[in-house]
Amino acid sequence: DGGITQSPKYLFRKEGQNVTLSCEQNLNHDAMYWYRQDPGQGLRLIYYSQIVNDFQKGDIAEGYSVSREKKESFPLTVTSAQKNPTAFYLCASSNLATASNEQFFGPGTRLTVL
Amino acid sequence: AQKVTQAQTEISVVEKEDVTLDCVYETRDTTYYLFWYKQPPSGELVFLIRRNSFDEQNEISGRYSWNFQKSTSSFNFTITASQVVDSAVYFCALGIYDKIIFGKGTRLHILP
Repeated sequence: DGGITQSPKYLFRKEGQNVTLSCEQNLNHDAMYWYRQDPGQGLRLIYYSQIVNDFQKGDIAEGYSVSREKKESFPLTVTSAQKNPTAFYLCASSNLATASNEQFFGPGTRLTVL
Repeated sequence: AQKVTQAQTEISVVEKEDVTLDCVYETRDTTYYLFWYKQPPSGELVFLIRRNSFDEQNEISGRYSWNFQKSTSSFNFTITASQVVDSAVYFCALGIYDKIIFGKGTRLHILP
């Protein structure tokens, strides 16, 4: 089945630790995105990548890092510098060849910092 | 500035009632797309509809319908004969170039 997978679904970390969230897609999409969602809030863009080995900061990139070594994969690292990392993280991808840039989403990872 | 406003934070209706979710957007671009996504309790965002800025035709898909009015910068979503399974958070979004800007969402409760 084509789609986007995110793992793990739930993640707990101790304060001060870095943690990496996985995102993989087999849709052959060029672009991939990471969003953060807080309760009662919309989605805020953390980072996005339109091509392998290149990525751009979104609206709330501080305390996060990404890599795009393969087209299919776009892992997000939440570093200890992120002051309030507890949130729901959504990964998305899109086919830049379509004018609409419709994004398809993964199931999300809920990160809780203890 | 580009912005999407969903003024209704939370709505509750009794099953079988019709309900309309409001969406107002702001942009100076003439070419853009509008989207609605559904987020059930599982968390994953499910795409519902896409509209480009040059197509103001209203659309109906089963119990769902969308009313796009450029004159008022609105893209409202109506669910007819609501069902409990429609309970979710619904997001309206504005797509410009390579980015999508989301509203804060409307949480819809359909009461049995």
